[in-house]
Amino acid sequence: NAGVTQTPKFRVLKTGQSMTLLCAQDMNHEYMYWYRQDPGMGLRLIHYSVGEGTTAKGEVPDGYNVSRLKKQNFLLGLESAAPSQTSVYFCASTRDRVYNEQFFGPGTRLTVL
Amino acid sequence: GQNIDQPTEMTATEGAIVQINCTYQTSGFNGLFWYQQHAGEAPTFLSYNVLDGLEEKGRFSSFLSRSKGYSYLLLKELQMKDSASYLCAVEALTGGGNKLTFGTGTQLKVEL
Repeated sequence: NAGVTQTPKFRVLKTGQSMTLLCAQDMNHEYMYWYRQDPGMGLRLIHYSVGEGTTAKGEVPDGYNVSRLKKQNFLLGLESAAPSQTSVYFCASTRDRVYNEQFFGPGTRLTVL
Repeated sequence: GQNIDQPTEMTATEGAIVQINCTYQTSGFNGLFWYQQHAGEAPTFLSYNVLDGLEEKGRFSSFLSRSKGYSYLLLKELQMKDSASYLCAVEALTGGGNKLTFGTGTQLKVEL
């Protein structure tokens, strides 16, 4: 089992460019999450999904969109990147709502110039 | 809303014991997680407390007091590889499912 994987691992964007981060999990988990991690801020929830075809906003959703067309994949989109979106992005998944141990992907380091 | 406090940094000696505290204020509290995160890596699960008391797992133990909004992570027989950030995360019940809110992490440095 690969667990949770993320692509790409690194990316540099110019302000205004768009991109999509891909998260995939092979554990048949229902719940998936996107976080960003910034120095001194901890992990902050951007968007999450409680199942295929569903998405919901987290703590810091502005400037991001998500889609969960397949149970194993959770995509995070930046339509018009801004320097404030420079961060490390982590995807995570949990089996269900009963037990919330989150399994994290390796992260994507994004720099917006 | 959620409010989680933990020390920013701690330093300890190899072979010693260190206790990392976490206090929280939250509505809908359902449990508390501790994660370890080495620099440049993803967080990994250490422990989960739902009921009051101490949970022991090898060199690591975690304690929870729901009435006091307090938890601690105890690391025994410290090793150099324990140098990492330790994240306290509070699980809360919401209409949209269980959610985790993370503290900012405690950076532990283990010295010889």
